[in-house]
Amino acid sequence: QKEVEQDPGPLSVPEGAIVSLNCTYSNSAFQYFMWYRQYSRKGPELLMYTYSSGNKEDGRFTAQVDKSSKYISLFIRDSQPSDSATYLCAMRVLQYGQNFVFGPGTRLSVLP
Amino acid sequence: NAGVTQTPKFQVLKTGQSMTLQCAQDMNHEYMSWYRQDPGMGLRLIHYSVGAGITDQGEVPNGYNVSRSTTEDFPLRLLSAAPSQTSVYFCASSYSVRGVAGELFFGEGSRLTVL
Repeated sequence: QKEVEQDPGPLSVPEGAIVSLNCTYSNSAFQYFMWYRQYSRKGPELLMYTYSSGNKEDGRFTAQVDKSSKYISLFIRDSQPSDSATYLCAMRVLQYGQNFVFGPGTRLSVLP
Repeated sequence: NAGVTQTPKFQVLKTGQSMTLQCAQDMNHEYMSWYRQDPGMGLRLIHYSVGAGITDQGEVPNGYNVSRSTTEDFPLRLLSAAPSQTSVYFCASSYSVRGVAGELFFGEGSRLTVL
């Protein structure tokens, strides 16, 4: 079993839809959770990060962490064609020598 | 700000050749790292450094070498290229607190093909 699992998609939605992207993980020691967005042929860029269970909102984006279920989600409201990208979840234990673990990414297409 | 700069963007090598991928950052980040990205595999850590003169292995270090002589630069050397090293390589940097990295800032990537 991989440490971090993520449905690779592709996921296609119409413009304006609410998008839900999810990751599950097996290491209960993970403390720090991030979502990255990666456009085609570009490097990943950080969207959101959180340390705790619960929701964190930033504009049209909401990150949700459920540590008891080992499950994190990213919701995108009012999705736009410019949101078309691959979304990577990442997490880590906050300890020296422990590094980030990335999910394989979900490819999202928002159709106009 | 340039952020994290990687060169070259594209490279084609023959099996057995060696080369160096360059990475430079201008954010005074202590932590720097190299990842490779392959379809369906996500980003996998090759090597990382928590400061000048300090490097360590990640998940997939075999066939790669690194050094960190300055805070700004973190080159990745392929010693004898193999087709299995065909991939997209990303350099990433971060501030760190007592060696624990925060959010990663990535370069644009270097696409390597080994024939």
